[in-house]
Amino acid sequence: GAVVSQHPSRVICKSGTSVKIECRSLDFQATTMFWYRQFPKQSLMLMATSNEGSKATYEQGVEKDKFLINHASLTLSTLTVTSAHPEDSSFYICSAGVKSGVFGSGTRLTVV
Amino acid sequence: AQSVAQPEDQVNVAEGNPLTVKCTYSVSGNPYLFWYVQYPNRGLQFLLKYITGDNLVKGSYGFEAEFNKSQTSFHLKKPSALVSDSALYFCAVVFGNEKLTFGTGTRLTIIP
Repeated sequence: GAVVSQHPSRVICKSGTSVKIECRSLDFQATTMFWYRQFPKQSLMLMATSNEGSKATYEQGVEKDKFLINHASLTLSTLTVTSAHPEDSSFYICSAGVKSGVFGSGTRLTVV
Repeated sequence: AQSVAQPEDQVNVAEGNPLTVKCTYSVSGNPYLFWYVQYPNRGLQFLLKYITGDNLVKGSYGFEAEFNKSQTSFHLKKPSALVSDSALYFCAVVFGNEKLTFGTGTRLTIIP
């Protein structure tokens, strides 16, 4: 079946640095990918919709200059957390397509 | 607007007993409904989905769910619970080209 690969699974970075998270669709093309954030003991919150070849669509309250999304090909979307701060520490998950329901394995970001 | 509710934050079931995790939704029209399971520090694993057809959907690991249009419900069930079923379960709904909307999650604990 369809698989979405997300990398890295864990990352620790210093405050003020930037971190890039990759989301790849394997064996299929995804014109649309989604980025979610999950706080401890909470549900998934949609951050943005990544559209291949065009600008991402951000949900209300999500800073687009802080969470940079690039979807340069039909199989790869990246989320870059710029100038990360401890409050950005969270679990980030991507998915490909809407009705396919395929998710990556998630990235645990810890900013120290 | 579409929404989904999981009324129980926590469900405890004795091993070997049947389990039910509840989900209700609110959309106009015909929804796509999903169930996912999440283990600690992991992404979402797809269990099953309802699109159309038979109201009883069978999924992974022996789980099934019944789509009930009159009650707008999509409860997750399993005839005999295993300790390894202990995890966080999310119900999600999408309608048309709308985004995937998640419930708040239900923590299922199977007691040996």
